[in-house]
Amino acid sequence: EVQLLESGGGLIQPGGSLRLSCAASGFTFSSYAVSWVRQAPAKGLEWVSTIGSNTYYAGSVKGRFTISRDTSKNTLYLQMNTLRADDTAVYYCAKRGYDASGSSLFYFDSWGPGTLVTVSS
Amino acid sequence: QTVVTQEPSFSVSPGGTVTLTCGLSSGSVSTSYYPSWYQQIPGQAPRTLIYSTNIRSSGVPDRFSGSILGNKAALTITGAQADDESDYYCVLYMGSGISVFGGGTKVTVV
Repeated sequence: EVQLLESGGGLIQPGGSLRLSCAASGFTFSSYAVSWVRQAPAKGLEWVSTIGSNTYYAGSVKGRFTISRDTSKNTLYLQMNTLRADDTAVYYCAKRGYDASGSSLFYFDSWGPGTLVTVSS
Repeated sequence: QTVVTQEPSFSVSPGGTVTLTCGLSSGSVSTSYYPSWYQQIPGQAPRTLIYSTNIRSSGVPDRFSGSILGNKAALTITGAQADDESDYYCVLYMGSGISVFGGGTKVTVV
């Protein structure tokens, strides 16, 4: 069973930095793309970043956020710098879905429970 | 910048049928966008319903179905139940690693 568990959220001042982690289990972590998706309070879901063979970012975080992973620890990270009030959100870790031949189907097939990041002075 | 459009809200009677759509601010949605759909009860993580336009995720009841209707992706709930009351989001894959969520549709079963 795939399990994803985020951690590292909290209260941070504008302009500060924070690193989120997502511990993964139940699948071969190095073989699958994984993503971060966020949801601001009372707002919709927003794709943030994906790491597979390359890294990809939404325009709203490009240059400020860095996605990475440690395959020896089965852990995904999101380094968030120069945080702003509009980065306040629950951040979800999500695994990409693939077909039986190993081709990505560009959807999210498993989700963690999320971790809350609040950017406020 | 491409915007993915969804109806803000829908009401459906218990046992009724509702079709939610997912469109583009410019252009038509096709299977090449790998449309997927997610259900989210407020305060909980999303749940994957449909991927690759019309494939139900494991454990999803067959009252949920996906399709392309005209120039949009669509999610149809047939025989709506009280616990289908939720927010529903579509995602389109834009290529180059970029996915875009729609704004979500709040479904009320009354």
